[in-house]
Formats: sequence, structure tokens, C-alpha cells
Amino acid sequence: GESVGLHLPTLSVQEGDNSIINCAYSNSASDYFIWYKQESGKGPQFIIDIRSNMDKRQGQRVTVLLNKTVKHLSLQIAATQPGDSAVYFCAESMEGAQKLVFGQGTRLTINP
Amino acid sequence: DADVTQTPRNRITKTGKRIMLECSQTKGHDRMYWYRQDPGLGLRLIYYSFDVKDINKGEISDGYSVSRQAQAKFSLSLESAIPNQTALYFCATSDFFVDTQYFGPGTRLTVL
Repeated sequence: GESVGLHLPTLSVQEGDNSIINCAYSNSASDYFIWYKQESGKGPQFIIDIRSNMDKRQGQRVTVLLNKTVKHLSLQIAATQPGDSAVYFCAESMEGAQKLVFGQGTRLTINP
Repeated sequence: DADVTQTPRNRITKTGKRIMLECSQTKGHDRMYWYRQDPGLGLRLIYYSFDVKDINKGEISDGYSVSRQAQAKFSLSLESAIPNQTALYFCATSDFFVDTQYFGPGTRLTVL
């Protein structure tokens, strides 16, 4: 059968709406989390990060929420624009590990 | 990110050929990484280096080798390319004190 990995989770939203992208991380000892955006044909770009001593962090039009109890991370994008269409990856690391572990990614499509 | 460059950007080669992918950075970072991305999948770590004398295997190092020629240069070699090494390859860098990684534009490698 087909590999599950070939089918990225997808999210479609209307331009101007808010979007929420979710990520379940694997290691309860992870203490640093990053969201990356990858546009077609480009490398991943840093969007926002958060450390485990915080629950929420805001950037320009983006907010990251961290729920350590259920090992869940979310990225909220306000007033989505066509340029927000991309694949979004979460990544986690543990202090001292000095490596990032990436999630599968979610494809966000903005409908006009 | 223009501070991290990769050459070539695209390469088509044949099974059994030796291939070298090169990465250069002007960010002054000590740490450099090589990742592989397959369609619909996240990023998997091949090798990483924390300084010129430090080389470490990642989760999928078999069939690959690396060389850290200088702080700014980190190259990835496929000694004898095989078709299942067809993928996108990304180089990334990070500062010693911060886990955030900055990615190059990627190299699309096709092995026939």
C-alpha cells in the first residue's frame, strides 16, 4: 500500500481567516520548540520558537502555544494571506542534545 | 537564507557515481548539519558537526560521508549513489548557544 508519509496533513482556510496548525511532540524531556515554514522549492524558514518555561509566545501575526501536559504545540496565524501557503514543521530539542527532531509537517493552503 | 548557500542546486546522476554536495555559510556559526527530505516527509538528520574537528552521525548516515573543511564549509558525499538516495538535501547551521537552525535553499538530487 501507499506510504502514510506521502500524505501530509492538510489545512485549507479562507484568506483573512485565522489558522491553527497543531503538532504533537514525542519527548517529554524536550525543552525547546521551533516552528518552520517551507515554501515550495525553498529551505525551511524559522518562524517562531518557545522554551518550555513558557506557555505562549507571540510574534508578528503568529502565536505559538505550548501545552506540556499533553505534549502539544500549536501555531496560530492571524489574518492569513496568500503568502502563508506553505508546509509548516514543528521541531523539538532537549537541552544538551543540540539536535532538532522534526515533525512530519502540515500543508497550509489559503483559498482566495 | 542567503547566508547559507548550497551547490549544486540540482543534480542528476547515475547509480554508482560519487557525488559531493557542498554547503557554505557566512553566519559565523560553529554548528552545521545535513538533512534529507523525501516527498511528504519531514527532515531526517544525516550528519552534524559542532566544530571543524567534530563529526557525528545522524539517524540515516549509512551510504553518506561528510567533511568539515573549515568553520564555514561542510560537504556531504555519496560514495556510490543509489536510486533511493533521490531526495532534497538541506544544509543548516546554528550558533553554539542557540538551538535555532538556519537552512540553505536545498539541493535536489536525482539518482537514475
